[in-house]
Amino acid sequence: TQLLEQSPQFLSIQEGENLTVYCNSSSVFSSLQWYRQEPGEGPVLLVTVVTGGEVKKLKRLTFQFGDARKDSSLHITAAQPGDTGLYLCAVSGNTPLVFGKGTRLSVIA
Amino acid sequence: NAGVTQTPKFRILKIGQSMTLQCTQDMNHNYMYWYRQDPGMGLKLIYYSVGAGITDKGEVPNGYNVSRSTTEDFPLRLELAAPSQTSVYFCASSRTSGRYTQYFGPGTRLTVL
Repeated sequence: TQLLEQSPQFLSIQEGENLTVYCNSSSVFSSLQWYRQEPGEGPVLLVTVVTGGEVKKLKRLTFQFGDARKDSSLHITAAQPGDTGLYLCAVSGNTPLVFGKGTRLSVIA
Repeated sequence: NAGVTQTPKFRILKIGQSMTLQCTQDMNHNYMYWYRQDPGMGLKLIYYSVGAGITDKGEVPNGYNVSRSTTEDFPLRLELAAPSQTSVYFCASSRTSGRYTQYFGPGTRLTVL
């Protein structure tokens, strides 16, 4: 059983469109992280959310942690080709991070 | 700071050969990790270390070994390479566990033929 379910698995959109990707689980977590991985590189941390209902913004990216701390969403406004990459969510407690399989986003100019 | 560096960047091995993937970090982090990433999959933890001299197994440790003699270095050893070990390997480090940022290296792409 996958601890974290990410959806959609693939997403291809035109530049300027909005999109939302999801990270869901049946477990409660103390914190959740979102990473972005560009082709040929390692993942880079975008944000960490720790409080149920928390919303964080990073330029055109909006991250939300579910009230029950079991799920999270990432919304991108006016997507740009530079947003192309694999978006991974990850959770931890006192153990190493567990990653979801990711959402592979392609933004076409 | 160079962050996390990995060598080599690419490698092709024959079945049964051995090799060591090198990983070094210059951030004085206590925690270091090895992941593998297969096509269409997320990252799976192979081994991790919470400090020099201390290592522990992750989700997929079979076929691999690690050592941590210094804070900076965390090499991953493949003893008898198998086609199932064809993957991209990432090393990462963090100050401690939990919500702290993990910093990843650029990866090593390994093919076993």
